[in-house]
Amino acid sequence: RKEVEQDPGPFNVPEGATVAFNCTYSNSASQSFFWYRQDCRKEPKLLMSVYSSGNEDGRFTAQLNRASQYISLLIRDSKLSDSATYLCVVKSTSGGSNYKLTFGKGTLLTVNP
Amino acid sequence: GAVVSQHPSRVICKSGTSVKIECRSLDFQATTMFWYRQFPKQSLMLMATSNEGSKATYEQGVEKDKFLINHASLTLSTLTVTSAHPEDSSFYICSARRTMGGEQYFGPGTRLTVT
Repeated sequence: RKEVEQDPGPFNVPEGATVAFNCTYSNSASQSFFWYRQDCRKEPKLLMSVYSSGNEDGRFTAQLNRASQYISLLIRDSKLSDSATYLCVVKSTSGGSNYKLTFGKGTLLTVNP
Repeated sequence: GAVVSQHPSRVICKSGTSVKIECRSLDFQATTMFWYRQFPKQSLMLMATSNEGSKATYEQGVEKDKFLINHASLTLSTLTVTSAHPEDSSFYICSARRTMGGEQYFGPGTRLTVT
């Protein structure tokens, strides 16, 4: 089982649609969780952290369920500029006080006019 | 946010040659730098973690003699792909972290094509 698995996508939605991405992780000792966005041929950029209580940032809502090791991202009222690949990222310790980020494969979202 | 640069942004080289990629933290001192590789439509895969002044820690399956990492200062790490082959063609991304447990800041990546 892969460490971080995401919906394979791609997702094609019209402007204004609501779209949800799912992600599961295998390491129950994982400590922190994030969603990154990556535009074509660019580096990933942090979109938001994900907290157990759920958190919202404008049109974006992230949820975490530690019991089922599941993370989600909801985008409401999607814009053309939301078109990108969304990466689910999990942070876990890698020995001593070091940690590492493990990235999912990403889900490609295209928002159409 | 903090700024990390990479140089070059893209490079084309012949099979058998070596290529050096630089990663710099421009406005902070990075105690730790990370090197990732991303093949098309695949996830970023961590290759190695390097702490300033010490040897890099390589992930399983990454050849340390082929991918030489040097982190000689708090603002510069280099990755040298030695004797490059076409299968090494990929998007190489570095990231830097200021403190233990702090956020990682990613460089813009280097696209390597080996012909």
